[in-house]
Amino acid sequence: NAGVTQTPKFQVLKTGQSMTLQCAQDMNHNSMYWYRQDPGMGLRLIYYSASEGTTDKGEVPNGYNVSRLNKREFSLRLESAAPSQTSVYFCASRSTSGALWAQYFGPGTRLTVL
Amino acid sequence: QKEVEQDPGPLSVPEGAIVSLNCTYSNSAFQYFMWYRQYSRKGPELLMYTYSSGNKEDGRFTAQVDKSSKYISLFIRDSQPSDSATYLCAMSGYNSGAGSYQLTFGKGTKLSVIP
Repeated sequence: NAGVTQTPKFQVLKTGQSMTLQCAQDMNHNSMYWYRQDPGMGLRLIYYSASEGTTDKGEVPNGYNVSRLNKREFSLRLESAAPSQTSVYFCASRSTSGALWAQYFGPGTRLTVL
Repeated sequence: QKEVEQDPGPLSVPEGAIVSLNCTYSNSAFQYFMWYRQYSRKGPELLMYTYSSGNKEDGRFTAQVDKSSKYISLFIRDSQPSDSATYLCAMSGYNSGAGSYQLTFGKGTKLSVIP
């Protein structure tokens, strides 16, 4: 049981390049989330998917797109990277039993845009 | 006023000390309260969660919620160097506009426990 996994762990992009961050969970959770974490700003929600087949914008969606590929996988795409998107990106999924309101996080992707 | 306020620290204590970490919030709709621990260059990990007002204990950790004051605390007894991390409070309530539960995080308090 790996929990939430993310790839890649690190990435350096040039301004204007595109990339997709991958996330997968093996806990059979319905809801999945993408956050970015910046110094002094805390965790900010980019997009979320309440269930397979649905996606919705969070607090800071501009410049990003998402795809809920199936129940396990939720990807985040940067179509034209900008230096302001330099950040650490975390994927999370929400429990469907026990602590129904808690989210479980992956290890993160450190992205630098030059 | 921000929905969740958390003192960023840093907080430095000697090994063995009792640590108190706190958050205040303004949204009465928050019903569920969590503490996450984040080690440097790692993802946040769920440490404790609670639904009601009162105390919940797990080993050296105690989570306390006072809904009337909109105040939550995390106490760490006999603190260890391995407790050095950033601690984030998080709160959840049903967001009718979004049609789902969402978490609102504090910005985190950085704790260092000195041997």
